[in-house]
Amino acid sequence: GQNIDQPTEMTATEGAIVQINCTYQTSGFNGLFWYQQHAGEAPTFLSYNVLDGLEEKGRFSSFLSRSKGYSYLLLKELQMKDSASYLCAGMDSNYQLIWGAGTKLIIKP
Amino acid sequence: GAVVSQHPSRVICKSGTSVKIECRSLDFQATTMFWYRQFPKQSLMLMATSNEGSKATYEQGVEKDKFLINHASLTLSTLTVTSAHPEDSSFYICSARSGTSQETQYFGPGTRLLVL
Repeated sequence: GQNIDQPTEMTATEGAIVQINCTYQTSGFNGLFWYQQHAGEAPTFLSYNVLDGLEEKGRFSSFLSRSKGYSYLLLKELQMKDSASYLCAGMDSNYQLIWGAGTKLIIKP
Repeated sequence: GAVVSQHPSRVICKSGTSVKIECRSLDFQATTMFWYRQFPKQSLMLMATSNEGSKATYEQGVEKDKFLINHASLTLSTLTVTSAHPEDSSFYICSARSGTSQETQYFGPGTRLLVL
């Protein structure tokens, strides 16, 4: 079956770094996505990885290891506005997104 | 970036009535549109996939006669919740994909439905 696993909740301190892990199993693979979702809003795209390695985009970076079925989202210099849910989604062979349950990130001052 | 709109953003209706939600791609042609539902503190659940000009493909457990989807043009898809009940109260989100990029989905802002 297809499955995406990520932690339910994480807490971090403003200014610090946090890594949100995601493991995936999909039927075929066309990439791994990370989305940010603030409460009551639709998800917004953060990153897309289809090849192994690290993609850096400002304060956010995303890593993929296809052999391990593993990805992480790294957030640096955390700000209070980064408090949100972070959704990991794998794209299967039919180009459908398989969604994780999301990781609620709580930032403390 | 590509823009997808949804209307209405929020709707309150009485039990038994029908509600129509529109999803529009504003600056690109969406050959495929997806409808998701999200209950509080849960992840997105794909309800159906619609391709322009053809019948929607519904996910297991989603009643096609209750959630009517029409994708009549390359820029518009509609979801009609028929005979809505309180348990249909949820956050409905559409996303759109153009024919040129299979990997990219653009999300609408979502519609919050409350059925009394």
